[in-house]
Amino acid sequence: KAGVTQTPRYLIKTRGQQVTLSCSPISGHRSVSWYQQTPGQGLQFLFEYFSETQRNKGNFPGRFSGRQFSNSRSEMNVSTLELGDSALYLCASTSGVGNEQFFGPGTRLTVL
Amino acid sequence: KQEVTQIPAALSVPEGENLVLNCSFTDSAIYNLQWFRQDPGKGLTSLLLIQSSQREQTSGRLNASLDKSSGRSTLYIAASQPGDSATYLCAVYKLIGGTALIFGKGTTLSVSS
Repeated sequence: KAGVTQTPRYLIKTRGQQVTLSCSPISGHRSVSWYQQTPGQGLQFLFEYFSETQRNKGNFPGRFSGRQFSNSRSEMNVSTLELGDSALYLCASTSGVGNEQFFGPGTRLTVL
Repeated sequence: KQEVTQIPAALSVPEGENLVLNCSFTDSAIYNLQWFRQDPGKGLTSLLLIQSSQREQTSGRLNASLDKSSGRSTLYIAASQPGDSATYLCAVYKLIGGTALIFGKGTTLSVSS
């Protein structure tokens, strides 16, 4: 079974631009969660989607948004990028067994 | 507010040593607890999931325990190897509100040969 895939793996953007990240969950998993990892704050939960609906949301500004498609693939969008948005963005899909989460390799976003 | 703490932040041991990594959480109303491993610049690899009704889980040289009443979990690594060098992260699931994981800052382990 293929794991969680994320594209692109690396991105360089400038302040004020917007960016879209993509995540394909493990086949059969319907829940997709997004996390931001930075050296200072560690791993922080952004939001979770289940069956195309946002089910849970972390404490991030409205510039961070997401969506999920009918095939469970998810996208995350960040508008009006700030330097502090530079981070590793990780996507996870959730197994129905015990809600175990499986993570993708991440997208490294650098904002200049 | 749930907070997860991992001690120590860094640990260096010689190959072959048995070691214990600690994780504590402030709110015992957790759904599950999951241990992960992260190699530099990479994603997270799930090591063990302990459901709230369980006391421990084992996989190979790894054994994780959970004591909800005291808000603690430990990850025991037997006969450590240089390939075990990585950052180990503990995360708890909120009991209400979906499957958001709350992470500790991790313990960075270095095993020397």
